[in-house]
Amino acid sequence: DTAVSQTPKYLVTQMGNDKSIKCEQNLGHDTMYWYKQDSKKFLKIMFSYNNKELIINETVPNRFSPKSPDKAHLNLHINSLELGDSAVYFCASSQEVSGYEQYFGPGTRLTVT
Amino acid sequence: RKEVEQDPGPFNVPEGATVAFNCTYSNSASQSFFWYRQDCRKEPKLLMSVYSSGNEDGRFTAQLNRASQYISLLIRDSKLSDSATYLCVVSYNNDMRFGAGTRLTVKP
Repeated sequence: DTAVSQTPKYLVTQMGNDKSIKCEQNLGHDTMYWYKQDSKKFLKIMFSYNNKELIINETVPNRFSPKSPDKAHLNLHINSLELGDSAVYFCASSQEVSGYEQYFGPGTRLTVT
Repeated sequence: RKEVEQDPGPFNVPEGATVAFNCTYSNSASQSFFWYRQDCRKEPKLLMSVYSSGNEDGRFTAQLNRASQYISLLIRDSKLSDSATYLCVVSYNNDMRFGAGTRLTVKP
């Protein structure tokens, strides 16, 4: 069974569109994250949720809105997509908020044309 | 100054070589430290945690120097399968910060 899963794996869309990426973890973890990895391979945290509550919200455009319907899910909705949003987006989870191993999903490769 | 800085790489080494990576961090209050490995077009995966006393896992040795705020990873007897990008990760409270990664290629 996949521990952290993301859908879709690939997403190609045009500028201005709205899209969502879904993430689910079956590890029973309390904390989930979204990361963005750009073309230079730098992995940067975007959001962190603990028990469905937002605990980290980095400097991310408000076009990005995370939603956590329950502890096992953290979805990412992006409005008005821009070229610069092209990247790989990774979802991750950990047992608790600090100092614990993070388990990553396989990533969603977003290409905005 | 970046929060987590790593050797720029890439490192190209022959099989059997010993290779060392260094990583420095800016937040002296950082609490937890890790090395992750990321294969090409794959997700990062935990390689090992780094403890204050240093720790070893097979061919891999990690060390932490809090006074100088750096972490190191030593790989002995490199294998072809060690080829990957190695990410240094530093945690403070709720926040995990990743370094940009160091690419290692082990050649036959």
